[in-house]
Amino acid sequence: DIVMTQSPDSLAVSLGERATINCKSSQTILYSSNNKNFLAWYQQKPGQPPKLLIYWASTRESGVPDRFSGGGSGTDFTLTISALQAEDVAVYYCQQYHTTPPTFGGGTKVEIK
Amino acid sequence: EVQVVQSGAEVKKPGESLRISCKGSGYIFTNYWISWVRQMPGKGLEWMGRVDPRDSYTYYSPSFQGHVTITTDKSIRTAYLQWSSLQASDTAIYYCARHSDADGGYDIFDNWGRGTLVTVSS
Repeated sequence: DIVMTQSPDSLAVSLGERATINCKSSQTILYSSNNKNFLAWYQQKPGQPPKLLIYWASTRESGVPDRFSGGGSGTDFTLTISALQAEDVAVYYCQQYHTTPPTFGGGTKVEIK
Repeated sequence: EVQVVQSGAEVKKPGESLRISCKGSGYIFTNYWISWVRQMPGKGLEWMGRVDPRDSYTYYSPSFQGHVTITTDKSIRTAYLQWSSLQASDTAIYYCARHSDADGGYDIFDNWGRGTLVTVSS
């Protein structure tokens, strides 16, 4: 299985400041035939199911605010929240879908400083 | 509006059987795979397996193969996750999630149920 490693485990950011979460895969999740990275990001607020934010590493799901952006390629990826809002407090997970079984990172908890 | 609605919380004893459900609405049920994802208390997300509602073809994570069974009844737009003999370690929230692409293809999950809490305790 592809192992997804997120860092940090948690971070505290002031309102309006930038939050950056890292995700590393144990092998490349870039599919050379279509040059796409098979990576998604999800947000999970307390007591709620996960919500799809980004797929193909950088494509925002419909309705997701543009302060959320995804980047990276190959084995190293980032999720950036450009200006943290109170409603962004959540745990964020990366997930690869390059190889079955799909696997998730351990999660990064984002809090307000 | 696309929705996946899960059955309610369950409390069971070790060794008992259980089936929980996930009903899709607002879309063509047979066009989208359904996956099941486990979240143990205070932990992360684990993919268990998926089903194609058109033909009930299933694929399981090796970690869950043989311990759970995923089925579907397309006539009532419902997918199921079942256990024949529960263990205390099965205590978790179980989510069903619809795949984002019609006709399968990718394990991207765009609509999630609210989860079913399964508690197994003697």
